[in-house]
Amino acid sequence: AQSVTQLGSHVSVSEGALVLLRCNYSSSVPPYLFWYVQYPNQGLQLLLKYTSAATLVKGINGFEAEFKKSETSFHLTKPSAHMSDAAEYFCAVSRGTGRRALTFGSGTRLQVQP
Amino acid sequence: EAGVVQSPRYKIIEKKQPVAFWCNPISGHNTLYWYLQNLGQGPELLIRYENEEAVDDSQLPKDRFSAERLKGVDSTLKIQPAELGDSAVYLCASSPPTGDTEAFFGQGTRLTVV
Repeated sequence: AQSVTQLGSHVSVSEGALVLLRCNYSSSVPPYLFWYVQYPNQGLQLLLKYTSAATLVKGINGFEAEFKKSETSFHLTKPSAHMSDAAEYFCAVSRGTGRRALTFGSGTRLQVQP
Repeated sequence: EAGVVQSPRYKIIEKKQPVAFWCNPISGHNTLYWYLQNLGQGPELLIRYENEEAVDDSQLPKDRFSAERLKGVDSTLKIQPAELGDSAVYLCASSPPTGDTEAFFGQGTRLTVV
């Protein structure tokens, strides 16, 4: 079984500040991990993914995440927040190859204050 | 390249009425998913297709929900009869036949049952 826990349903940062969104996972097999972003009334867009290669993964829009097996974490960071980063962010896990379905966390809403 | 297309974007129906959602995946993507997203939560898998075969429908409430993917391309998700608790966003996603488990999402259909 797999599960994802996102700590903090709401995170607020100032424009230009560090963004840190937390994700912890549980998986009985080596996981594939994903971060998706969802803007209001839109579908989900992939930010980045970890698929057992480099543990530090760089994604779009300046985001990156680090896979830490010992901590079962995959936290999302961005050095400097922009107003356009305000959205809902979802961490997800799958059981690896075979295009199996994703198990999502409950999401973190990021607010960026001017 | 066109993305995953869903229609309608919004639907309002009275309880006990039937409703159907349509999804056209990205060309060449043989895996298709339907997810349910309740307000303030992450998406949850309803059903996954590999070509025209439903390979994971364990979370689909089969007493009122049905889905089909004739010819392994477009898919339709139906609810009959709809209940107030079915109000949610229904997301369709697709994945290519090779590579990692990344799924590409449509914009979703927001269903309101009154």
